[in-house]
Amino acid sequence: KNQVEQSPQSLIILEGKNCTLQCNYTVSPFSNLRWYKQDTGRGPVSLTIMTFSENTKSNGRYTATLDADTKQSSLHITASQLSDSASYICVWGGSQGNLIFGKGTKLSVKP
Amino acid sequence: KAGVTQTPRYLIKTRGQQVTLSCSPISGHRSVSWYQQTPGQGLQFLFEYFSETQRNKGNFPGRFSGRQFSNSRSEMNVSTLELGDSALYLCASSLSGTGNSPLHFGNGTRLTVT
Repeated sequence: KNQVEQSPQSLIILEGKNCTLQCNYTVSPFSNLRWYKQDTGRGPVSLTIMTFSENTKSNGRYTATLDADTKQSSLHITASQLSDSASYICVWGGSQGNLIFGKGTKLSVKP
Repeated sequence: KAGVTQTPRYLIKTRGQQVTLSCSPISGHRSVSWYQQTPGQGLQFLFEYFSETQRNKGNFPGRFSGRQFSNSRSEMNVSTLELGDSALYLCASSLSGTGNSPLHFGNGTRLTVT
């Protein structure tokens, strides 16, 4: 079983709509939880980093939430744009600097 | 400020050969970490170097090795290539390491092993 699971695997939405991506993790001890956006053919770009004491963090139209008790995080995208089409990767960060990546959610925003 | 630069962008190698990939971090960043990305496994952490010392290592065989130079540039070497090593190899730099700093990724080297 994957230690960091993301859902859904893929998602298609219409431009202007909102969406929420989910991330569940099973590993501990936990240091931080990150979200990255990866466009096709490019490296991932950091969206948010949250430590265990933070339960929400925003970056423009992107808002990440974290519930360390249930080991769940979500990424909410508001008023989607065509440029939001990408893979979104959830990353668990351990206290030793080790990182475990989810397999990502592929988001397609259609006009 | 220039971003993370990886060279080459594409490589084709034959099984059994070895390969060296290069990564130039953002100026001032002392940590460079390497990752393998495949469609089946997603992104997996290989290792991290900080000030020329390997600080963290993922669960990969010894055929995968790396080093970091005094100017923070890093190289990754894969020996005795296998077909399963075909992947996108990404490096990332950060100010203080993979702990709590944001990672800045390059656009990767696409390695194909035939």
